[in-house]
Amino acid sequence: DIVMTQSPDFLALSLGERATIKCKSSQSVLYNSNNKNYLAWYQQKPGQPPKLLIYWASIRESGVPDRFSGSGSGTDFTLTISSLQAEDVAVYYCQQYYITPLAFGQGTRVEIK
Amino acid sequence: QVQLVESGGGVVQPGRSLRLSCAASGFNFATFGMHWVRQAPGKGLEWVAVIWNDGNKEDYADSVKGRFTISRDNSRNTLSLQINSLRAEDTAVYYCAKSTGKGTYYLDYWGQGTLVTVSS
Repeated sequence: DIVMTQSPDFLALSLGERATIKCKSSQSVLYNSNNKNYLAWYQQKPGQPPKLLIYWASIRESGVPDRFSGSGSGTDFTLTISSLQAEDVAVYYCQQYYITPLAFGQGTRVEIK
Repeated sequence: QVQLVESGGGVVQPGRSLRLSCAASGFNFATFGMHWVRQAPGKGLEWVAVIWNDGNKEDYADSVKGRFTISRDNSRNTLSLQINSLRAEDTAVYYCAKSTGKGTYYLDYWGQGTLVTVSS
């Protein structure tokens, strides 16, 4: 099974600062035949279901602000919030959909300092 | 617009059974795989099960294999999860979520969830 590990577990930054969240998979999620990374990022605000932010490691879902970006390939991925806003306070999860069982990272809580 | 509405949660004694449902609307249900994902109180997300669009293939997390059964009725746009032999560690909010493909893939829509509490 693929294990997803995020870092850090908790991030407290000031408004306008850059937030960087790392996600590492225990094996590659890059499918060589189509050169796609089977990696998504979700945002979950308190009391709400998760919301899809990024898929194929770097494609922003429709309606997601462009301050959110995803990068990486193979086993190492990054979610970046270029300028942290108050509404970005949430827990962020990476997820691999390369193979079942699908797996989520443990989550990274982002708060405003 | 896409809507997923879960129901069937509640307080259940250990060892009993429960059936969760998810009513889907706003998209061609028979075209997409569907998933259940759960979240224990204060914890992270745990993938539970997937069923392919035509209902002919399923897969489960090891933690639920043999106790949980995912099914779907494409004529009624309904997803179900039969949970048997409930354990305390099954206490969680259960979300149904829509895949972007026929089976697994990323999950683009989620319901609000239904809470299952296993307690004597």
